[in-house]
Amino acid sequence: QKEVEQDPGPLSVPEGAIVSLNCTYSNSAFQYFMWYRQYSRKGPELLMYTYSSGNKEDGRFTAQVDKSSKYISLFIRDSQPSDSATYLCAMSAMDAGGTSYGKLTFGQGTILTVHP
Amino acid sequence: DVKVTQSSRYLVKRTGEKVFLECVQDMDHENMFWYRQDPGLGLRLIYFSYDVKMKEKGDIPEGYSVSREKKERFSLILESASTNQTSMYLCASSRGQGRNEQFFGPGTRLTVL
Repeated sequence: QKEVEQDPGPLSVPEGAIVSLNCTYSNSAFQYFMWYRQYSRKGPELLMYTYSSGNKEDGRFTAQVDKSSKYISLFIRDSQPSDSATYLCAMSAMDAGGTSYGKLTFGQGTILTVHP
Repeated sequence: DVKVTQSSRYLVKRTGEKVFLECVQDMDHENMFWYRQDPGLGLRLIYFSYDVKMKEKGDIPEGYSVSREKKERFSLILESASTNQTSMYLCASSRGQGRNEQFFGPGTRLTVL
C-alpha cells in the first residue's frame, strides 16, 4: 500500500464548478502538507502549504487537512479553463534532528480538465 | 521569488553517452533534489543533497550519480545513458530548517536513443 493515495482521475468539470481534489495517507508522522499544480510539460508549481490540521484559503483555493482521518483536500471555487492541469498532493514529516532533510512523499497526481 | 533553473528543456542523447543535467537555485536553499517523472509512476526521487558535498540516495539511484560542489548548484549525471532513462527530470530545492516546501525547476525532457 502506498503511503499517499490520490485518485488519478481524470476529472472533467464545466467552467464555474467547484472542484474537490483529495488525498489520503497512512503515515501519522506527516505534519506538513502541500498542493502543487503542474501544467503539461512544465515543472510543478507550489499552490498551497499548510502545517498540521485546519483550513487555509488563498483566493479561489482552499486547502483542508484532517489529521484524525489522515485526509487532505484542495477545493477550487469558480473553476476556470486555466485551472486545467495535474494536481499533486505532497507531505512530509517533521524534521527529527534534521534526518528527514525535507523529503516529500507525493501522490500520483489528479488530472483536471475544466471545459468552457 | 525562488528561481530554480535547469540547463536544458529538451535533450536527446545516444545509448552509452555520459549525460550531465545541471540545476541552479538562487535562494540559498540548503536542500536540493533530483526526481524523474514518468506516466503512471508519478514523481520518483533519485538523489538529494542537504549540504555542499553531501548527498543521499533516493528511491531509484541506480544508474545515476550526483555532484554538489557549490550550494546553489546540483548536478545529475547519467554515467552511461540507457533507453530506460528516457524521462522528464525535475530538480527542486527547499530552504530546510523546518520549511519543507520544495520549489521546482521547469524540467528537462531527456530522450535516449
